[in-house]
Amino acid sequence: DVKVTQSSRYLVKRTGEKVFLECVQDMDHENMFWYRQDPGLGLRLIYFSYDVKMKEKGDIPEGYSVSREKKERFSLILESASTNQTSMYLCASSDPQETQYFGPGTRLLVL
Amino acid sequence: EDQVTQSPEALRLQEGESSSLNCSYTVSGLRGLFWYRQDPGKGPEFLFTLYSAGEEKEKERLKATLTKKESFLHITAPKPEDSATYLCAVDSGGYQKVTFGTGTKLQVIP
Repeated sequence: DVKVTQSSRYLVKRTGEKVFLECVQDMDHENMFWYRQDPGLGLRLIYFSYDVKMKEKGDIPEGYSVSREKKERFSLILESASTNQTSMYLCASSDPQETQYFGPGTRLLVL
Repeated sequence: EDQVTQSPEALRLQEGESSSLNCSYTVSGLRGLFWYRQDPGKGPEFLFTLYSAGEEKEKERLKATLTKKESFLHITAPKPEDSATYLCAVDSGGYQKVTFGTGTKLQVIP
């Protein structure tokens, strides 16, 4: 079975803090993705990576950065958290042109 | 720009009452259409991938079909445990850029 894990299920942070969200997949997938999901807006792509150290901006990259130092691990970084970044964050992985498999999500609250 | 529209936004069914969820899409070139199930507070769980018009896939009480403009997720004799949000997504771009719909929230009442 494909397994995608995320470092935290719930996080509470203060405005201005630097936040790290980590994602690990065990299927040797080449592609990894970070989305945020908000009511009424669906899933929106923040960043994706198609290889180690490679990254591409998605639809809403502002205020975020990513790091992929190893194939199995993809980190999302909020440089200076703001209240409008309160959301559900979802990580996914896939092989090229194949189905994306999702992790359990991290619900982030920024106060 | 790729667009995915799901309808209805919410659907309430009696247990055993069959129905269909719709996903209409506008893409430059469809590589694949995906259906996911999402329970509250959890990540989406993969159900089906459809690649070409006319294709159908089944899993238990669910059956997904695909035409050139839309996909349907048919639910036959649903049970309360089928209650969830069902998401549709299309892949049309390089590096598998996928566009998601906003989902249909299904509630099945005993």
